[in-house]
Amino acid sequence: SYVLTQPPSVSVAPGKTAMITCEGDNIGRKSVHWYQQKPGQAPVLVMFYGSDRPSGISGRFSGSNSGNTATLTISGVEVGDEADYYCQVWDSSSDHYVFGDGSKVTVL
Amino acid sequence: QVQLVQSGIDVKNPGASVKVSCKAAGYSFISYGVSWVRQAPGQGLEWMGWISTYSGDTRYEQKFQGRVTMTTDRSTSTAYMELRSLRSDDTAVYYCARGGPILNGFPFDYWGQGTPVTVYS
Repeated sequence: SYVLTQPPSVSVAPGKTAMITCEGDNIGRKSVHWYQQKPGQAPVLVMFYGSDRPSGISGRFSGSNSGNTATLTISGVEVGDEADYYCQVWDSSSDHYVFGDGSKVTVL
Repeated sequence: QVQLVQSGIDVKNPGASVKVSCKAAGYSFISYGVSWVRQAPGQGLEWMGWISTYSGDTRYEQKFQGRVTMTTDRSTSTAYMELRSLRSDDTAVYYCARGGPILNGFPFDYWGQGTPVTVYS
């Protein structure tokens, strides 16, 4: 089955840039989506199809996807960005969705 | 506005079944599919399966095959997920999420608030 690998944690100072990676075999050929989940809350879609941002999501969030790595970038990080972030892809070979294990973003 | 409202907290004994509901509002129910995702305590997100609200077609993650059934009631715009033969490791928060009309990589753009299910004897 398809495997997505994310770093367990990403630490960043306020105002700096956080980059959260999601690695998978030829992930650049797949549709990648990103979700933000704060404690006790349901996930929220923050990026879809690699680099499209839903309405209402801050322009500080951007995404890219190429080769074996997809990346979610948060610019000008704020304390309110502290959360778990999950990447997701559709694995057409098995007809199911796969999530990465999640990355906890901590604002120092 | 789009809302997915799920049923409340549930506690079950091992071997029992649980049925979680997800009532949709604010959009055309049959125009979007519904996926179910669960999250065990302190763990990540796990996709369980998908149902077409239009045709009733389903796809289940292999590990749940034979134990899960997803259905919809178009008259009330409600999706259901039933999990049988519950074990302690089924203890989790269960989410419904709106996805595409077909199973082809659409993102989950709206989520229910989650239904905590605890399995213990």
